[in-house]
Amino acid sequence: AQSVTQPDIHITVSEGASLELRCNYSYGATPYLFWYVQSPGQGLQLLLKYFSGDTLVQGIKGFEAEFKRSQSSFNLRKPSVHWSDAAEYFCAVVPGSSSASKIIFGSGTRLSIRP
Amino acid sequence: ETGVTQSPTHLIKTRGQQVTLRCSSQSGHNTVSWYQQALGQGPQFIFQYYREEENGRGNFPPRFSGLQFPNYSSELNVNALELDDSALYLCASSSWTGFRVRNTEAFFGQGTRLTVV
Repeated sequence: AQSVTQPDIHITVSEGASLELRCNYSYGATPYLFWYVQSPGQGLQLLLKYFSGDTLVQGIKGFEAEFKRSQSSFNLRKPSVHWSDAAEYFCAVVPGSSSASKIIFGSGTRLSIRP
Repeated sequence: ETGVTQSPTHLIKTRGQQVTLRCSSQSGHNTVSWYQQALGQGPQFIFQYYREEENGRGNFPPRFSGLQFPNYSSELNVNALELDDSALYLCASSSWTGFRVRNTEAFFGQGTRLTVV
């Protein structure tokens, strides 16, 4: 069965520091991978997606993620975080035979920013 | 903001009651999915509707049911509410051919916060 693991429940970084959020997936075929962000009490916003091609994908708000098939990973990175990046981040996978809205989410990583 | 709207935004129900949540999908989208997000957890897939029929279901009991209408809007119905049903319920819409996923994305509504007391 498909699954997504986010090993870090909560991460705190200083404003201006770099960020990496880890994500590992389990899926037998070519995965379609996503990162979503959720601010408190809000819905989910797509940061970036990987369908095929270049394994380094750029997203909104200065985020990027790298797909590594050999490690079954899709880690999210940002070179310099801003206080407004404090939120919950979810890695997700979509089975290839489904619609884009049939999503399997990880348990999330809560990001706090230290002034 | 996305074009996906959900109503109501907040709801308080008593255990054993029934509830209906509503979702209007983004213009041009033909597929709607529903998710349950308990506090501190990731969203869990409940089910998906495509062309007015259920097309995929997660690990949820039959008392969770839904509808999709010809205009692609959708309802989530939960019968015999339990305390553990308290959660944020999210609706997502996307465009699908019914075959393989396209290079597209799902858009989420702001959710309905359901509290069961």
